[in-house]
Amino acid sequence: GENVEQHPSTLSVQEGDSAVIKCTYSDSASNYFPWYKQELGKRPQLIIDIRSNVGEKKDQRIAVTLNKTAKHFSLHITETQPEDSAVYFCAASSQGGSEKLVFGKGTKLTVNP
Amino acid sequence: KAGVTQTPRYLIKTRGQQVTLSCSPISGHRSVSWYQQTPGQGLQFLFEYFSETQRNKGNFPGRFSGRQFSNSRSEMNVSTLELGDSALYLCASSYLGSGGSYEQYFGPGTRLTVT
Repeated sequence: GENVEQHPSTLSVQEGDSAVIKCTYSDSASNYFPWYKQELGKRPQLIIDIRSNVGEKKDQRIAVTLNKTAKHFSLHITETQPEDSAVYFCAASSQGGSEKLVFGKGTKLTVNP
Repeated sequence: KAGVTQTPRYLIKTRGQQVTLSCSPISGHRSVSWYQQTPGQGLQFLFEYFSETQRNKGNFPGRFSGRQFSNSRSEMNVSTLELGDSALYLCASSYLGSGGSYEQYFGPGTRLTVT
C-alpha cells in the first residue's frame, strides 16, 4: 500500500523567513496530494492541494510543488508569521472511487517573532 | 454551510466497554471517512463510506466498524475497548465520491480516553 514519508519532523524559523516541508510517496498511482494545517487542539484544515496533472500551485504565501517522476512533493511558506505555527501534514491518495488519504507523520513548524 | 460535526466531543470509557461515535457531514457531501489520530502513529485511515456502502477499509481489527445512513450521517463503533484505543477520532466528508471534487473537510473530532 501507499507510504508517505515527511521531513523534517520539526522546523523552527524566524518570522519573515521561508519554510519548506518535503514529502515522498511510494504508490505511483497516487494522484491527489493535499496539505493540512493543525493548530493545537483544533481540527486539521485543508490549506492547499495539488493533482498529478499539475506541477505547481500557489495561494498567496503558500505553494506546493510536485515531482511525479521522483514521487515527491513539497510545501513552501514564504514570509512566515507567528500564526503559521502549527503541525503540517502532507497526504496522498489515488482517488477515483475511494477517499482514503495516507498521511505523513507531520511537521511541527514554529515561527519565532 | 455548517461544517462537519461530531458527537460527543469527549468520552471516557473503561476497558472492555464499547463506544459509538457519530459524524454529520457537510450538507450535500456523500462520502465520509474516519481517521484515528495518536501522537505515536499520527493520522491513520479507518474506513470510508459512500452512499451507505463501505468502499475502503484500513488496517484496523474487526472491533472497529462503521455504517452510514441514507442522510449520509455516519457512525463508528469500537467494541471491547483497549487502552490503546485512546485517541482522537476524526471524520472527514467530501462532496463527491468519484470524479470531480475530492477535498476532505474534517470535523473537530471525538477525544476518546480508555481507562
